[in-house]
This record gives sequence, structure tokens and C-alpha cells, in this order.
Amino acid sequence: DADVTQTPRNRITKTGKRIMLECSQTKGHDRMYWYRQDPGLGLRLIYYSFDVKDINKGEISDGYSVSRQAQAKFSLSLESAIPNQTALYFCATSDAGLNEKLFFGSGTQLSVL
Amino acid sequence: AQKITQTQPGMFVQEKEAVTLDCTYDTSDPSYGLFWYKQPSSGEMIFLIYQGSYDQQNATEGRYSLNFQKARKSANLVISASQLGDSAMYFCAMREGSGTYKYIFGTGTRLKVLA
Repeated sequence: DADVTQTPRNRITKTGKRIMLECSQTKGHDRMYWYRQDPGLGLRLIYYSFDVKDINKGEISDGYSVSRQAQAKFSLSLESAIPNQTALYFCATSDAGLNEKLFFGSGTQLSVL
Repeated sequence: AQKITQTQPGMFVQEKEAVTLDCTYDTSDPSYGLFWYKQPSSGEMIFLIYQGSYDQQNATEGRYSLNFQKARKSANLVISASQLGDSAMYFCAMREGSGTYKYIFGTGTRLKVLA
């Protein structure tokens, strides 16, 4: 089983719909992140959380919200999806040390029509 | 503010040749970590190599090495003896040691290995 699991893998939705992307991990890490990837723009940070009570906005948080339901679960919501939120979304986790790498989920390809 | 720059949107290399993918960074924090990830066409993110700001030697992992030039703020990835399976997108990333501990990424370089 994957250490970082994202669901769904693919999703097509319509403009204005609410959608939730879910992430769960078995790494035991406190730190969790949501990124979106767009061609030519790399990965950009949406939100990050260092524990259940600590949630922080990243560089592109507008139009998104998150919920850290437990140490192992971190969900990303699009309250009212719009076409320019079409992207590949990654959840990632890390441990606390400076040399600790990010562990990524498989990604969710979201298309907003 | 921290920043990662990858100036090569695309690169070609002949099979078995070496290739260097460029990465420059900007930070005012003396403590930071630099990472390279590979993203094949299947989409997953694969960790390749790590370099700490206080590391005295360049990091190496098999065919991957990191050419770390601290004064120039560059952390170039060198892939030796390129293989067809190296064709992928490559991302440079940085994590600062103080403050928010966020990871930021460059825009990536798409590498194509030619047979």
C-alpha cells in the first residue's frame, strides 16, 4: 500500500461545483502539504499543515480551503470550482528535519469544465 | 523571499552522454536544503538527491550528482551515462531551515534522452 494516498485519481467536474480531494498517509509525519502543478509553472504550494491545529496558507490559497481531520488526513476543497483550477494536485508529507524529503501521493488530475 | 529558478524548459541529450540541469536559488537563510525530483510521464514524483547548505561535499546518488556552488547559489543536477528511462521532467526544490519550513519548487526542466 502507498504511504501517501490521494483520492480520487481523476475527477471531472463542472464550474461552480464543490469538490473535495482527500489525502491520507501512513508515514506518521506531522507535516502535510497540498500543491498544484500546471505546465510551465512547476509545483505551487496551496496550503500546508504542521499539525492538526496548525494550518497555513501557501502562495496560491485563494479559492481553496483545507481540513486536517487527523494527523494522517488532510483534505483540500474547492468551494466553487472554476476552469483555471484545472490542474494536477499533489498531497505530500514530510518529517521535521531540514534534510527530510517530501513524500508525494500519486496525484489527482482535476478538470473543471 | 526564497526562490528557485530553472532556466531550461527543455533539454536533449544523447543516450550514454552526461547532462547538466541548471538550478539557481535565492534565500537569506544560512540553513537550507536543496532537493531534486524526477517526474516521469506517469506523473509520480520521485526523489533523486539532497544537498544541505552546510554539506562540504557535493551529494551523489548513483548516476546522479549535485554540483553545489554555494557562493553562486546554484545546485545543478548532473546525470551521467544517460538512459532512455531518464526522459522525464526534473524539478529542483528548496526548503529553508528556519521560519516556515516550506518547500518551494522551480518550474522544471523536461529532459529527452535520444537513442
